[in-house]
Amino acid sequence: GDSVTQMEGPVTLSEEAFLTINCTYTATGYPSLFWYVQYPGEGLQLLLKATKADDKGSNKGFEATYRKETTSFHLEKGSVQVSDSAVYFCALTNDMRFGAGTRLTVKP
Amino acid sequence: NAGVTQTPKFQVLKTGQSMTLQCAQDMNHEYMSWYRQDPGMGLRLIHYSVGAGITDQGEVPNGYNVSRSTTEDFPLRLLSAAPSQTSVYFCASSQDRHAAQGVTGELFFGEGSRLTVL
Repeated sequence: GDSVTQMEGPVTLSEEAFLTINCTYTATGYPSLFWYVQYPGEGLQLLLKATKADDKGSNKGFEATYRKETTSFHLEKGSVQVSDSAVYFCALTNDMRFGAGTRLTVKP
Repeated sequence: NAGVTQTPKFQVLKTGQSMTLQCAQDMNHEYMSWYRQDPGMGLRLIHYSVGAGITDQGEVPNGYNVSRSTTEDFPLRLLSAAPSQTSVYFCASSQDRHAAQGVTGELFFGEGSRLTVL
C-alpha cells in the first residue's frame, strides 16, 4: 500500500541554521504531496504542497520539490527561526497517508 | 471564522465507558475525517465521509463508529473504551472529494481532543 517515510527526529538546530527534513514515499499513480506543520497545542495546518512531478511548493521560507525519480519530497529552509519549532508531517493523497512526524526545536 | 471545531478538548474515561467526540465545520466541506495521533506513528485515518449519509472505514476503524447526518457534523463514537484508544484525536475536513476513497486537496484540522482511557 501507499506509505510515507520521514527522517526520525527530534531535530535540534541553532537559529539561522539550514534545515532539511527528508521524506520519501511509495504510491500508486500520481499523488499530490504535502507538508503540514503542527505548532504546540494546535492542530495541523498546511505548510506547502506540490501536485505534480518537478513542482516546487514554497511558503514562509520553506521549500520542497516533488521528485518522481527519487520518490522524494524533502523539506528545506535556509535559515530557521525559533518560531519554526514545531512538528512537521509529510503526507500524500491516496487515502491521505501521513508520515510519523519530525519534531524540530530551534534554539536561540 | 470558526473552521473546524472539536469538543471536548480533554476527556478521561474508564475502561468500558462510552463517549462521543464532536466535530463541526462551517466551511460547507463535503469531506470530513477522523484521525488519531500516536507518538512515532503520525496520523492514522479512522473513518471518513465524502458527504451526508456516506461514511467509510480508514486504516484503524475498529472500536469506533461514525455517522454523517448533516454536512456540518461528523461525530466519532467510542462504544466501549479501551486503554489502547488513549490518543489525541483530530477531525479534518476538505472541499475536495475527487475519489470515493479519499481526498486530493488540503485538509483543515481542528485543534484536537486528548483522550485518556484508564
